[in-house]
Amino acid sequence: QVQLVQSGAEVKKPGSSVKVSCKASGDTFSIYTISWVRQAPGQGLEWMGRIIPSTGTANYAQKFQGRVTIIADKSTSTAYMELSSLSSEDTAIYYCARAYNYYPWDYWGQGTLITVSS
Amino acid sequence: QSLLTQPPSASGTPGQRVTISCSGSSSNIGDNYVCWYQQLPGTAPKLLISTNNQRPSGVPDRFSGSKSGTSASLAISGLRSEDEADYYCATWDDSLSAPVFGGGTKLTVL
Repeated sequence: QVQLVQSGAEVKKPGSSVKVSCKASGDTFSIYTISWVRQAPGQGLEWMGRIIPSTGTANYAQKFQGRVTIIADKSTSTAYMELSSLSSEDTAIYYCARAYNYYPWDYWGQGTLITVSS
Repeated sequence: QSLLTQPPSASGTPGQRVTISCSGSSSNIGDNYVCWYQQLPGTAPKLLISTNNQRPSGVPDRFSGSKSGTSASLAISGLRSEDEADYYCATWDDSLSAPVFGGGTKLTVL
């Protein structure tokens, strides 16, 4: 069955960067796109960007342009999301999710809690 | 603030039919398909409705979606206690060139 398994929770200092991984299994990695969606505590869902593993092309939400980098490693069927210049407002659960195009996302990772605190 | 407006809360009793609305504009819902997600407490979102009214395999037919103009709705019939969750609509926004989510609706089963 299709699974997206994400890396574990992290605590980061303000101003630092974080890199979250998302390993896919159970289907052909390259025929889908992987998006990253975050959810601040008690808040709604927010799309950050996506990667097309087959081409390496990434697209980012305007809000995160210049601060987020999404890449994919086809050899390990793993996508990565790196967010830099962290502040307390980046404290959230970060999800990876699979889609054929931009959306809808049919499978989601379990989520990774990133806490930004001094 | 989200470009898609959902009521923050909704409620119903077991067996009832509940609808959750999602209001947008011509640059998002009016021109693109809508999908719906259910998020149970402490879990990742689950796809309930894709492309306006299509249910993925395994989603009960108690859940149905519709779209008219710049609004969409999720209907849940035969409400059950396990339906208590947060529900989100999502679509593409032409102006942002990005997917957008509604603010979410917390459904309480009384």
